[in-house]
Amino acid sequence: GAGVSQSPSNKVTEKGKDVELRCDPISGHTALYWYRQSLGQGLEFLIYFQGNSAPDKSGLPSDRFSAERTGGSVSTLTIQRTQQEDSAVYLCASSPDRTAFYGYTFGSGTRLTVV
Amino acid sequence: AQSVAQPEDQVNVAEGNPLTVKCTYSVSGNPYLFWYVQYPNRGLQFLLKYITGDNLVKGSYGFEAEFNKSQTSFHLKKPSALVSDSALYFCAVRAITGGGNKLTFGTGTQLKVEL
Repeated sequence: GAGVSQSPSNKVTEKGKDVELRCDPISGHTALYWYRQSLGQGLEFLIYFQGNSAPDKSGLPSDRFSAERTGGSVSTLTIQRTQQEDSAVYLCASSPDRTAFYGYTFGSGTRLTVV
Repeated sequence: AQSVAQPEDQVNVAEGNPLTVKCTYSVSGNPYLFWYVQYPNRGLQFLLKYITGDNLVKGSYGFEAEFNKSQTSFHLKKPSALVSDSALYFCAVRAITGGGNKLTFGTGTQLKVEL
């Protein structure tokens, strides 16, 4: 597609429920990143996929968080047993290569609210 | 480890006046440096980047930034601010070598341009 697409744009869930957030990157972009933006905070790195390489999961805050990228394209970020502190905007970005030489193209984000 | 500091949470400037949004960074070796802008309820948009070459980089919407290696700074500037420039601005860095193939972002600076 022309840009990075994220869905849903807004999600309200009850504490303890699981949620899935979807990211559809720009066609041909081999690198895909998930970041989290909390109120008053910067962007917190979560996970990075590059081609067929093993993902860099070093930013995932707990084992309740997981992500996968199928076929080198669409990615799903799953949060199990959601907690109120998970409330944030989850941003997906893609890049043509691993170096970030071209920077990232970001999606509009998914605003997650845990009540 | 790589890091970015944006020392000002908010910058206020009158329309028509010059603006500066400050950014300092820390990396091992040489950096890639980026500025992104975020408008309300939108994802981050790329403004400009420094990879190598001229220290003064020009980007979108009349913005420019100056790379200063000795001061490890990459301040964003515009000669004449517009009300429409009001947004949240993020500085980002990665080391050219290492850096885990991901950008590290600052906490953001809210720019408010008033009539």
